[in-house]
Amino acid sequence: EPEVTQTPSHQVTQMGQEVILRCVPISNHLYFYWYRQILGQKVEFLVSFYNNEISEKSEIFDDQFSVERPDGSNFTLKIRSTKLEDSAMYFCASSLSGGGNQPQHFGDGTRLSIL
Amino acid sequence: GQQVMQIPQYQHVQEGEDFTTYCNSSTTLSNIQWYKQRPGGHPVFLIQLVKSGEVKKQKRLTFQFGEAKKNSSLHITATQTTDVGTYFCEIGLDSNYQLIWGAGTKLIIKP
Repeated sequence: EPEVTQTPSHQVTQMGQEVILRCVPISNHLYFYWYRQILGQKVEFLVSFYNNEISEKSEIFDDQFSVERPDGSNFTLKIRSTKLEDSAMYFCASSLSGGGNQPQHFGDGTRLSIL
Repeated sequence: GQQVMQIPQYQHVQEGEDFTTYCNSSTTLSNIQWYKQRPGGHPVFLIQLVKSGEVKKQKRLTFQFGEAKKNSSLHITATQTTDVGTYFCEIGLDSNYQLIWGAGTKLIIKP
């Protein structure tokens, strides 16, 4: 069964540095998502992406964050000037269509640790 | 503001007891999805509910969508250790494509 893959599985970065988290969505999916989950807390929606542009974003997704689909397979989340509170698990997901009409398939996540 | 309330935050049960989690919204929903996240894992899709009053079953799991499409429940009959994890609802609204997640209900099986 096709799956969403995320790299790296764990990223350790000094505060103030930039990080890029990478995702390869399922190949025929059209909608892509990033979520954040601070340890032991709920899943927080960050952004959804369709047709090479952001379709929805939450209040968490401020100017510190950006997303990109640099080629036909990768979907990246860039976090600039990282802060201690950015430490969390970041999940990428993809779906065939948006609005909850099709299930989202999640990757295993990237654990981001800011020192 | 918050558009979905999921309760309870935690539920401790003995193995074999039942478990229920509820999601409530003040807004009429387009659809609702339920996900399960095992400890250390990622959310995994369980079911989607779309129709008013819909009831769907998956073995020991029963999912209901309210008549007014503003609330939903997930009920597990006779819990097993494999049911341990956090159950999340995710709501879809008619007004936009934004998807909003509930805070999750953590199912803990008492030894």
